[in-house]
Amino acid sequence: ETGVTQTPRHLVMGMTNKKSLKCEQHLGHNAMYWYKQSAKKPLELMFVYNFKEQTENNSVPSRFSPECPNSSHLFLHLHTLQPEDSALYLCASSQFSGQGVEPQHFGDGTRLSIL
Amino acid sequence: TQLLEQSPQFLSIQEGENLTVYCNSSSVFSSLQWYRQEPGEGPVLLVTVVTGGEVKKLKRLTFQFGDARKDSSLHITAAQTGDTGLYLCAGLFHGGSEKLVFGKGTKLTVNP
Repeated sequence: ETGVTQTPRHLVMGMTNKKSLKCEQHLGHNAMYWYKQSAKKPLELMFVYNFKEQTENNSVPSRFSPECPNSSHLFLHLHTLQPEDSALYLCASSQFSGQGVEPQHFGDGTRLSIL
Repeated sequence: TQLLEQSPQFLSIQEGENLTVYCNSSSVFSSLQWYRQEPGEGPVLLVTVVTGGEVKKLKRLTFQFGDARKDSSLHITAAQTGDTGLYLCAGLFHGGSEKLVFGKGTKLTVNP
């Protein structure tokens, strides 16, 4: 039990489908993140939310749309994805203090496959 | 673009052996974290180092932060099969943005 829960764990979708990934944290943290993990690449930060406000969009294509309705929940809405978007999508949370040493707590990820 | 280089990329050893993995950059870190990721799970934080020259120990794992804060190493003594996983370093660069930059990781396999 990591305190960060992601659903679904696996998702297969066609390029024309619309789906959403969900992340919930039970740690009382004020910052949440979406990362993309592909084979042979470093973990790529996609979006950051501090106190429900988006503070980072790391040049992510508009076919990925994040939503943070409250500090405990984070969604990633997907539409018209491409085969190269197949990857493990990880959600993380932390207690942001501006010191830069806060650990990030990760969920176990959603394994996304685009047909 | 600030990059972290991790080496080796893959490492396969026998139980009981010692090993060291490295994390290097040409830029200075404000702080650096090491994570371990097991198959089917998300990364889990092992340690955070902040001060140049700092050494931290976590049971059989020894973490060292370079004096110039541009590199770090993780040494495992008497490796066990439970140490198998992907070891990731992640740094916050001095004078950079607040976001963590991750290396590609070292995939360690400890064979019985």
